[in-house]
Amino acid sequence: QSALTQPASVSGFPGQSITISCTGSSSDVGGYNSVSWYQQHPGKAPNVMIYDVNNRPSGVPHRFSGSKSGNTASLTISGLQTEDEADYYCSSYTSTNVLFGGGTKLTVL
Amino acid sequence: EVKLVESGGGLVQPGGSLRLSCVASGFIFSNYEINWVRQAPGKGLEWVSHITRSGRAIYYADSVKGRFTISRDNAKNSLYLQMNSLRVEDTAVYYCARVNAYWSTYDYWGQGTLVTVSS
Repeated sequence: QSALTQPASVSGFPGQSITISCTGSSSDVGGYNSVSWYQQHPGKAPNVMIYDVNNRPSGVPHRFSGSKSGNTASLTISGLQTEDEADYYCSSYTSTNVLFGGGTKLTVL
Repeated sequence: EVKLVESGGGLVQPGGSLRLSCVASGFIFSNYEINWVRQAPGKGLEWVSHITRSGRAIYYADSVKGRFTISRDNAKNSLYLQMNSLRVEDTAVYYCARVNAYWSTYDYWGQGTLVTVSS
């Protein structure tokens, strides 16, 4: 299976909102509510920000939110902060296979 | 505190073998499914393999099927990845990642171990 499709980069100013899309197919993103979003800072392991499409683990700021429409999932960060600058990866999880997006580099201007 | 610590990475020639380990602590290891995920230098994340709690069900990415073997020893709180017939394109940081018991996501990751395949 092919990787999920994400934009290579997005940017925004502090305080603004940005959205990162993640497009798959009816066999992955569209067929399961198991989309996660991971944040990865340089040299660090990924960290889950959103799971099961729109759920936030405890400790993740409320400015992070997720949604899904058809075969496309989205991560929205409201009120951008400088520490949000990182790479973001979506994933579609099943018990037999996991697909990741190619990653999106978020730059806070 | 939940911890996953990988080891065993290093430099190996194409066609060679390497065995990675991941030692878990801070939780009941046998209650969780664990995956290996890798990341080539400057590239994105790639799922490698999945093993269920008992180890009875195992899954692999097509890119490693037939060459890599995942296993676990619940008595030693350890996960392994035996990598044979290594290729240059297997060069990556290899992470072990815990699958959350209730959500379909990785809730904890190790720090990763670098595998470099080069002549």
